[in-house]
Amino acid sequence: GEDVEQSLFLSVREGDSSVINCTYTDSSSTYLYWYKQEPGAGLQLLTYIFSNMDMKQDQRLTVLLNKKDKHLSLRIADTQTGDSAIYFCAERNSNTGKLIFGQGTTLQVKP
Amino acid sequence: DAGVIQSPRHEVTEMGQEVTLRCKPISGHDYLFWYRQTMMRGLELLIYFNNNVPIDDSGMPEDRFSAKMPNASFSTLKIQPSEPRDSAVYFCASSLSRDRGHEQFFGPGTRLTVL
Repeated sequence: GEDVEQSLFLSVREGDSSVINCTYTDSSSTYLYWYKQEPGAGLQLLTYIFSNMDMKQDQRLTVLLNKKDKHLSLRIADTQTGDSAIYFCAERNSNTGKLIFGQGTTLQVKP
Repeated sequence: DAGVIQSPRHEVTEMGQEVTLRCKPISGHDYLFWYRQTMMRGLELLIYFNNNVPIDDSGMPEDRFSAKMPNASFSTLKIQPSEPRDSAVYFCASSLSRDRGHEQFFGPGTRLTVL
């Protein structure tokens, strides 16, 4: 079945790098996503990666995909207090179009 | 575009009452999704529509929940009768046809409290 797992909590100091990890099970997923949810708000797409890519970089964000191990990570360089939020990993089933979300990782950035 | 619009933003009701949540997707988007978010269960997909037709409602918890999409610009999620365990944040999201786009755009959510 489909399942996406993430660690629930990560705490870093301002200026450090943050790495949020995710594992998924559906090998047919064509796209994998990272969403950000700030307190009291909806989910906002941060970045995504196509399944035939290993890495994608977008300013401070780097996404790494290990398709063999079904492992996805999001690295945030120079983490700022404004990055404090819940980060959701999601895989998209290529047949149904449904997104399967992980439980979310709460990132706490300490000044 | 104003993005996905949901109303109300907050709803407080008493057990047994009917609750109707509303969603206006982004114009031109073919898919509409209803999600529920709770601390215990995380983000769950309840139902989704394609071109106003319900495709998969396997996530709807029970018969007390129903969803409709009478036209391309409006959808409702109804709970009747509501129970305290229905308290959650309900999100609506929309996306383009998967052949032309794939990211889902989420609304701000409706926070439902059932007393």
